[in-house]
Amino acid sequence: EADIYQTPRYLVIGTGKKITLECSQTMGHDKMYWYQQDPGMELHLIHYSYGVNSTEKGDLSSESTVSRIRTEHFPLTLESARPSHTSQYLCASSDWGGHGYTFGSGTRLTVV
Amino acid sequence: AQKVTQAQTEISVVEKEDVTLDCVYETRDTTYYLFWYKQPPSGELVFLIRRNSFDEQNEISGRYSWNFQKSTSSFNFTITASQVVDSAVYFCALSEANAQKLVFGQGTRLTINP
Repeated sequence: EADIYQTPRYLVIGTGKKITLECSQTMGHDKMYWYQQDPGMELHLIHYSYGVNSTEKGDLSSESTVSRIRTEHFPLTLESARPSHTSQYLCASSDWGGHGYTFGSGTRLTVV
Repeated sequence: AQKVTQAQTEISVVEKEDVTLDCVYETRDTTYYLFWYKQPPSGELVFLIRRNSFDEQNEISGRYSWNFQKSTSSFNFTITASQVVDSAVYFCALSEANAQKLVFGQGTRLTINP
């Protein structure tokens, strides 16, 4: 049973559309992360949060934005999708000690 | 800054061969955690192992074993008697206790041929 949920699993959308990728966790973790990954390639951290109302940009610049209004919810939004945004997006959460990270199943986004 | 390097981009072996995936890391922290993940074609990340910087004991789990050596900043992963189901992309990752972000290596695509 997954403790971190991402929806949708797959999304095909037209250029210029606004999209929100959902991520929710039931473990009460304060820290949450978004990674972007091209197929079979390295995972790049694009956003992270250390708690409610905390959001930071990651190591890879991204046109997406995130919000953290509730501990369990960390959605990622693209205001105007472009083909260059086609990628897999993985959400994760962790405890404070950095001992363990739990990943969602990912959202595979295709912008046409 | 933390960094992970997996020099082997792709490895291809025949089933039942042993294979070692290399991982070298850089960190200034004395407390850190090292991880290995498996990513099958379906795309999800499957957690394999975590080691903390104070525990250099090697670990064996079935056909999988890990060799952690602080002296060379390496955390290598060996699969013995490989099977076709082991085919996947494998990622090594590092989390510093202070930075508390998980940084991944470039990944190694492992193909086990029947």
